[in-house]
Amino acid sequence: EADIYQTPRYLVIGTGKKITLECSQTMGHDKMYWYQQDPGMELHLIHYSYGVNSTEKGDLSSESTVSRIRTEHFPLTLESARPSHTSQYLCASMDRGRYEQYFGPGTRLTVT
Amino acid sequence: GDSVTQMEGPVTLSEEACLTINCTYTATGYPSLFWYVQYPGEGLQLLLKATKADDKGSNKGFEATYRKETTSFHLEKGSVQVSDSAVYFCALSDEGGSEKLVFGKGMKLTVNP
Repeated sequence: EADIYQTPRYLVIGTGKKITLECSQTMGHDKMYWYQQDPGMELHLIHYSYGVNSTEKGDLSSESTVSRIRTEHFPLTLESARPSHTSQYLCASMDRGRYEQYFGPGTRLTVT
Repeated sequence: GDSVTQMEGPVTLSEEACLTINCTYTATGYPSLFWYVQYPGEGLQLLLKATKADDKGSNKGFEATYRKETTSFHLEKGSVQVSDSAVYFCALSDEGGSEKLVFGKGMKLTVNP
């Protein structure tokens, strides 16, 4: 059973607010990922990390930022939310050399 | 770069119907192949995988065979249930050193009783 958690599950906020989406995993995985899922269900990789103090931008440009200060924690921050940020955000982690990603339940963000 | 092309939906089937979701890939190396499933309101779960040519992955009545000659990994189930309603993603491991997964666009399946 994969142990990867995301909070909050649902968030509705106004334009201009700063938000942080939390993602934690208890499996000790080095690699973690953030995906943005559009209404058509396609997944877009926006950030990833290979370990502590490692962060990289993904294939889709995003105004969000991430940090990786601890192995188990990979938060995503939006400094000033806009309606275009409305989406589902999925966090995942992967064991070294296994290529199986474990996903959290997602955060559905709505910016009004 | 590596890519995955999968059948797009949405698809609606009646319970006990046969299901095939086509997936083909382009890769320079010898990737591992995956099917992930996303049930309503949840994150993705690994459904099955295959790591080398001619391997067959299976789980919950679903099967897929890694066909290197046709670069395909089609998902099949002989008799679908209402509980199989979900979005299905085909994916491959990018083994060029980036350690990322490349996903198809996903296909939404609805099974009616």
